[in-house]
Amino acid sequence: GQQLNQSPQSMFIQEGEDVSMNCTSSSIFNTWLWYKQDPGEGPVLLIALYKAGELTSNGRLTAQFGITRKDSFLNISASIPSDVGIYFCAGRRGGNTPLVFGKGTRLSVIA
Amino acid sequence: DTGVSQDPRHKITKRGQNVTFRCDPISEHNRLYWYRQTLGQGPEFLTYFQNEAQLEKSRLLSDRFSAERPKGSFSTLEIQRTEQGDSAMYLCASRYTGGVRTGELFFGEGSRLTVL
Repeated sequence: GQQLNQSPQSMFIQEGEDVSMNCTSSSIFNTWLWYKQDPGEGPVLLIALYKAGELTSNGRLTAQFGITRKDSFLNISASIPSDVGIYFCAGRRGGNTPLVFGKGTRLSVIA
Repeated sequence: DTGVSQDPRHKITKRGQNVTFRCDPISEHNRLYWYRQTLGQGPEFLTYFQNEAQLEKSRLLSDRFSAERPKGSFSTLEIQRTEQGDSAMYLCASRYTGGVRTGELFFGEGSRLTVL
């Protein structure tokens, strides 16, 4: 079953606002990933994090690998309508272990 | 540049029927994964292959489910005697692992199964 707690479950924001979401775990992970999924499609990789404390950006998206290795954060700046979708965090405990996913944060952007 | 390809995209079947899904991974990727996703949930791991070897199976993979990757390229996931609880999106993903070029998981568009 799911081992990652992702919050918030959903968000409604105005276009142009910044967004923050996070993911926590009771276990230590060596890799944290963030994916976005549009309706009826598969998840698309946004950002990958490999070291505790690492801060990585991809355009308007910034993600951080928590120092404790038990959490990760994703920020989206200046949101636009195409940011709408479900954002999933995923973690991997070791090189050969499968990715474990959170339940997602559903983002709605009001123009 | 072809990504992960899945077929069919949608399948509607009656309870008790068998269904098979196919996945063609990114060509140089040696690992292939199957995940299942139900409404409102994140993807849940089912099984994965390294080349043709099936290395791990989740307890979610009941004995009605079987996956193969006979030549280390495409993979099939078969569900026998489908039940309504099997209704879900079945996602295939692949990645390359090996030395400094180890990459991350790339997903296909999924095969949505509806069991009536």
